[in-house]
Amino acid sequence: EPEVTQTPSHQVTQMGQEVILRCVPISNHLYFYWYRQILGQKVEFLVSFYNNEISEKSEIFDDQFSVERPDGSNFTLKIRSTKLEDSAMYFCASSVDRAGPHNEQFFGPGTRLTVL
Amino acid sequence: AQSVAQPEDQVNVAEGNPLTVKCTYSVSGNPYLFWYVQYPNRGLQFLLKYITGDNLVKGSYGFEAEFNKSQTSFHLKKPSALVSDSALYFCAVRGLNSGNTPLVFGKGTRLSVIA
Repeated sequence: EPEVTQTPSHQVTQMGQEVILRCVPISNHLYFYWYRQILGQKVEFLVSFYNNEISEKSEIFDDQFSVERPDGSNFTLKIRSTKLEDSAMYFCASSVDRAGPHNEQFFGPGTRLTVL
Repeated sequence: AQSVAQPEDQVNVAEGNPLTVKCTYSVSGNPYLFWYVQYPNRGLQFLLKYITGDNLVKGSYGFEAEFNKSQTSFHLKKPSALVSDSALYFCAVRGLNSGNTPLVFGKGTRLSVIA
């Protein structure tokens, strides 16, 4: 069964450093998402991406964040200057190309980001 | 604005007993409702969804959920719990006209099934 994969599984970084989190969505999916989950809190939406541009973004997704699909398979989330409060589990998700709110999203295993 | 509430942080149940994980929602118009499960060191796995039609939805691993519009609830159930069902369960919602906009999740409920 096809899966969404994410690397690395755990990233430790110093405050102020840049990090790039990587995701490989399911191959025939065209909608991509990033969510995050701060320890003990709910899963929160960050950004959605379709046709090489951002479809929607939350208030969390400020100028420090960016997303890219550099090569047609990877989908990356970049945090330019990490803050302590960016420490969280980051989930990538993808869904099929048909528009419709009934389409479930398929999630990767997550990257745990720890900012020191 | 859409929201989901999972009132229980933790649910404990003995193996073989029925289990219920509660979820209530708030959304404008008719909702699309989802349940996901997260096992340790794994991503969120889709369990089941309610779109329309029969209020009782059947999903993976013997789970089912009952949509109750009057109570705005979508509780997850299983007739006989297994130790392997122990995991973190998330309820999520989307509004009817949301296209491929994001899911709104509850905070999750940790289910512990005791042998």
